[in-house]
Amino acid sequence: ETGVTQSPTHLIKTRGQQVTLRCSSQSGHNTVSWYQQALGQGPQFIFQYYREEENGRGNFPPRFSGLQFPNYSSELNVNALELDDSALYLCASSLVSSGRGEQYFGPGTRLTVT
Amino acid sequence: QKEVEQNSGPLSVPEGAIASLNCTYSDRGSQSFFWYRQYSGKSPELIMSIYSNGDKEDGRFTAQLNKASQYVSLLIRDSQPSDSATYLCAGTSYTGGFKTIFGAGTRLFVKA
Repeated sequence: ETGVTQSPTHLIKTRGQQVTLRCSSQSGHNTVSWYQQALGQGPQFIFQYYREEENGRGNFPPRFSGLQFPNYSSELNVNALELDDSALYLCASSLVSSGRGEQYFGPGTRLTVT
Repeated sequence: QKEVEQNSGPLSVPEGAIASLNCTYSDRGSQSFFWYRQYSGKSPELIMSIYSNGDKEDGRFTAQLNKASQYVSLLIRDSQPSDSATYLCAGTSYTGGFKTIFGAGTRLFVKA
C-alpha cells in the first residue's frame, strides 16, 4: 500500500508570487484535504476535494484554490503570496465512503515566503 | 473563539505512568473525533478515532468521548519516552460541507 506523498519537500517564494503544491493520495483513497500548519499551531483546514469538486472549505481567502484529478491526486495553488503564508502545508487522504473521515497525512511541504 | 481547545502543556509524566490528554469542542455538529501524534518536524500520525459516546481501547491507548459534555480524552497507559510528542485532537463535521478542526495540541514529555 502506497502512502500519501507530497512535492516539493521545501519551497522558497517571494511575496506576490504564486505557488503550486502537489499531493498523491494513499492507494484506495478518493478524497484529499489540505491543511496549513503554522509553527506551534494545529493544522488549519483549507479545503477538501472529492470527485474532483470542492467538498468543504475552511476560512481561507479565494487566493487559495485547488484541483483534484481523476486519479485522486490533488494540487493546492496559492496566488499573491503573503509573508503569513509561510507554513507547513499538509495533504491528507481518506476514503469518503467509509463515512468515518479517518485522514492520513503526507510528509508536508514547507513553504517559506520572503 | 477556538472550536477545539487543548491544554498546550507541556504535560510531563514518568515512564510507565498513565498520561491523560483532554480536549473540548464547541461545534455540536461534530460527529467524528481523532487523536493524532506529531513528532517535531514530522507530519501528524493518526493513533485513535472515536465516533460514539464511551470508551474505545487500542493497545496502550484509550479514547473517551462524551458528546453531551463536548469532551474527548486520550489515555496512554505505560507511557514510554517514545510517546514524547505533541498530541492533536480533531473533530470532523459534515453539515454544510466537510470540515475538520484541530486543536493546537498538547506537548507530552515522558521522563525515563
